[in-house]
Amino acid sequence: DVKVTQSSRYLVKRTGEKVFLECVQDMDHENMFWYRQDPGLGLRLIYFSYDVKMKEKGDIPEGYSVSREKKERFSLILESASTNQTSMYLCASSFPGETYEQYFGPGTRLTVT
Amino acid sequence: GQQVMQIPQYQHVQEGEDFTTYCNSSTTLSNIQWYKQRPGGHPVFLIQLVKSGEVKKQKRLTFQFGEAKKNSSLHITATQTTDVGTYFCAVTYERSYNTDKLIFGTGTRLQVFP
Repeated sequence: DVKVTQSSRYLVKRTGEKVFLECVQDMDHENMFWYRQDPGLGLRLIYFSYDVKMKEKGDIPEGYSVSREKKERFSLILESASTNQTSMYLCASSFPGETYEQYFGPGTRLTVT
Repeated sequence: GQQVMQIPQYQHVQEGEDFTTYCNSSTTLSNIQWYKQRPGGHPVFLIQLVKSGEVKKQKRLTFQFGEAKKNSSLHITATQTTDVGTYFCAVTYERSYNTDKLIFGTGTRLQVFP
């Protein structure tokens, strides 16, 4: 079974702090994704990566950066957390190509105070 | 960016009633996937549709892809309390430069009353 894990289920940070969200997958997937989920807005893509050290902006990259130093690990970084970044963050992975489904991690609920 | 509209946003049904959610795009789709997210859980893949007019069934769930490949529906017959959750469609567009990227709909939250 594919397993996607995220470093924290719940996280509380202060405004201005640097925040790291980690995601690890064990299925050797090339693609990895970071989404945020907000009520009524569905899942919005922040960044994705299709290979080690490769990244591409999604629909809402502002205020975020990512790092992919190893194939299995994809990190989301909030350089200076703000209250409007309070959200559920979901990581996903997949094989390349449109016919492959995405496997999601359990999510990290981040609260910025 | 491109948007995918999903309706309704919420649906409350009595157990045993049917339920349908619709996913609509103004642009021709390459394919569509459906995901289910249980309360407190994460999205889980249900199915993928690729061909125009395609219909697929999974027990009480029926998935359809429109003839023009611009819309899709998920129909649940005789809902059960285990069907509770949010259902998302997720699409890729024809002539998209990057087909690895899914665009998710806003989701339909289903509540089933026993």
